[in-house]
Amino acid sequence: QVHLQESGPGLVKSSETLSLTCSVSGGSISSYYWSWIRQSPGKGLEWIGFIHYTGSTNYNPSLKSRVTISIDTSKSQFSLRLTSVTAADTAVYYCASAPSGSGYYYFEYWGLGTLVTVSS
Amino acid sequence: SYVLTQPPSVSVAPGETASITCGGENIGTKSVHWYQQKPGQAPVLLIYYDTDRPSGIPERFSASNSGNTATLTISRVEAGDEADYSCQVWDSNDYHAVFGGGTKLTVL
Repeated sequence: QVHLQESGPGLVKSSETLSLTCSVSGGSISSYYWSWIRQSPGKGLEWIGFIHYTGSTNYNPSLKSRVTISIDTSKSQFSLRLTSVTAADTAVYYCASAPSGSGYYYFEYWGLGTLVTVSS
Repeated sequence: SYVLTQPPSVSVAPGETASITCGGENIGTKSVHWYQQKPGQAPVLLIYYDTDRPSGIPERFSASNSGNTATLTISRVEAGDEADYSCQVWDSNDYHAVFGGGTKLTVL
C-alpha cells in the first residue's frame, strides 16, 4: 500500500510560483509514474503531469509551458512547480501514483490533497 | 484533444441500479478507468482497465466499454454510494490523461 502526502504553501500570490512536494512511503519508487492532478472548486479532475523515477516527464499540453515536475529518489519525494499562477490555478492539488508498464495509465493511490489558493 | 462527456447528475432510489455513462469518440478502443470521490475526500480507484476492480471494491460496482460509450453500473445502490464518479482514459495520441467532468450520484 503506497501512502502519499502533499505539502507546501496554501496561499500563493498571483504571478508567482506554486511549489508543492509529495512524500511517498510504502511502495517502490521505481514501480510507478508519480503524478500531480488538480481539482478547481466545484469542477472536475485535471491531470497536470507525471514523472518516472528515471526523470522522464509528461505534462498536460494545456499547462506544459508553466509546469515542472521533478523527483528526488533518495528522499522518496517528487515535486511540482507551476509558474505565473492566476486565480484559475486555485484548486485542490493531489499527488497520485500510476502503475508503470501498461501504457494505459490509471491512478491507483492518491494523497489527501492540499488546497492552494491564489490571491491577488 | 480527446474529450470525455459525463452527465452532471444521476439519481437513484436505494436498492435500485445506477448507470453512469462516459462518452468519447471510439472510447471502446481505449482503456477506461473509474473513480469515486466523496465530499471533502480524495478520489478512490473503482474500476481499471474497463472492468477490473481493485481489492476491497465491492462486486456491486461493475463497468463496460463499447463503441462510443463506457458505463459504470452500481447494483443495489446504498446511501453510502452517494458521491461524484469520474471516468478517465489515457490519450495515447497526445500522451496525457483525460478525465470526464464527473457525475454526481444522488441516492433518493
